[in-house]
Amino acid sequence: GNSVTQMEGPVTLSEEAFLTINCTYTATGYPSLFWYVQYPGEGLQLLLKATKADDKGSNKGFEATYRKETTSFHLEKGSVQVSDSAVYFCALSDRDTGRRALTFGSGTRLQVQP
Amino acid sequence: DSGVTQTPKHLITATGQRVTLRCSPRSGDLSVYWYQQSLDQGLQFLIQYYNGEERAKGNILERFSAQQFPDLHSELNLSSLELGDSALYFCASSVDPTSQETQYFGPGTRLLVL
Repeated sequence: GNSVTQMEGPVTLSEEAFLTINCTYTATGYPSLFWYVQYPGEGLQLLLKATKADDKGSNKGFEATYRKETTSFHLEKGSVQVSDSAVYFCALSDRDTGRRALTFGSGTRLQVQP
Repeated sequence: DSGVTQTPKHLITATGQRVTLRCSPRSGDLSVYWYQQSLDQGLQFLIQYYNGEERAKGNILERFSAQQFPDLHSELNLSSLELGDSALYFCASSVDPTSQETQYFGPGTRLLVL
């Protein structure tokens, strides 16, 4: 079956530090990959996505590259801000099986200190 | 604002009771997904509807059921509630699961079973 593994949190960084949140996946087909963000008390918002190998998704300074050879989709940001404090979820959608429901990782809480 | 609405925002009820959660998808979206977010199980896919018909099932209990109406809004019915059903329930929508993979999430309904 499909699964997504994320690094354990919380990740605590100082403002302007470099961020990496690791994500690896297992899929029976050829998945699309996503990062969603959940701010305190809110629903999930799509942060970025990539639909094929070597694609790079980017948004709001965040980037992630679809690496088929290492089955990874690590999230990076060069300089985090306090406003980036949230829970980040890596997810996949397996197109080949026709099942479009998302399989999520366990989430990584990011805390950015001023 | 994702354009997906969910009501109610909060729900407190007792064990053994039945509740109905409501979701209105984004304008133009035909597919609705329901997810459960709990502390012990994380984010799990429950069920998907497309244009009124059930498309896929995930880890949905037999005590739970859902439907999508002709106006495309969806309801998730939870019955014989147990303490362990306390969770955040999200609805998401997409245009068409075969061509548009981005799912847009509502703000969620927080259910507390006492």
